[in-house]
Amino acid sequence: DAKTTQPPSMDCAEGRAANLPCNHSTISGNEYVYWYRQIHSQGPQYIIHGLKNNETNEMASLIITEDRKSSTLILPHATLRDTAVYYCIVRGGGSTGANSKLTFGKGITLSVRP
Amino acid sequence: NAGVTQTPKFQVLKTGQSMTLQCAQDMNHEYMSWYRQDPGMGLRLIHYSVGAGITDQGEVPNGYNVSRSTTEDFPLRLLSAAPSQTSVYFCASSPLRTVTQYFGPGTRLLVL
Repeated sequence: DAKTTQPPSMDCAEGRAANLPCNHSTISGNEYVYWYRQIHSQGPQYIIHGLKNNETNEMASLIITEDRKSSTLILPHATLRDTAVYYCIVRGGGSTGANSKLTFGKGITLSVRP
Repeated sequence: NAGVTQTPKFQVLKTGQSMTLQCAQDMNHEYMSWYRQDPGMGLRLIHYSVGAGITDQGEVPNGYNVSRSTTEDFPLRLLSAAPSQTSVYFCASSPLRTVTQYFGPGTRLLVL
């Protein structure tokens, strides 16, 4: 699996966009970028994933660079409830059960301030 | 749907005791897994299963046993608890051909 690098922490003001970066320079052609988050004391929550095109859903947008070596998760209007640890994970598409395994690093701690 | 449920929410054990952490899902997912999370660390995979009757080891399997007799349930057994197993345990499930996993609320285990 490709390794990901995230800064340990960042903060943003409530109501502003939060842009969370992730580097994955060794990503291979069939690997997806996944983002999960973990709010304090809760189980991780899936946010979004993408292969090479930008993706958007009701929670966030995912911007993947053309060379796919980095990506940015965007929370367009951060709220206090978005304070959490965000994990960027690179993984191949799940064709077998073994490919469903996720490797969580330390993630980036986002603090949204009032 | 209840999603992924875990019981108990919190448990205190003495060294050497045994116990089973329960995990159930009602989404008919083939894939289920157990992770542990220690303070300041990411999640580490303990065991996983791709369907009833099939289990495999993850990153940190020592001290834990699992079985998968039904699609819905995936219990994690500690045969002889040790203080090093003090952690928060999360169960997750997903359809087989996706890595979009759904996590339970966690079980907080303290081994004295």
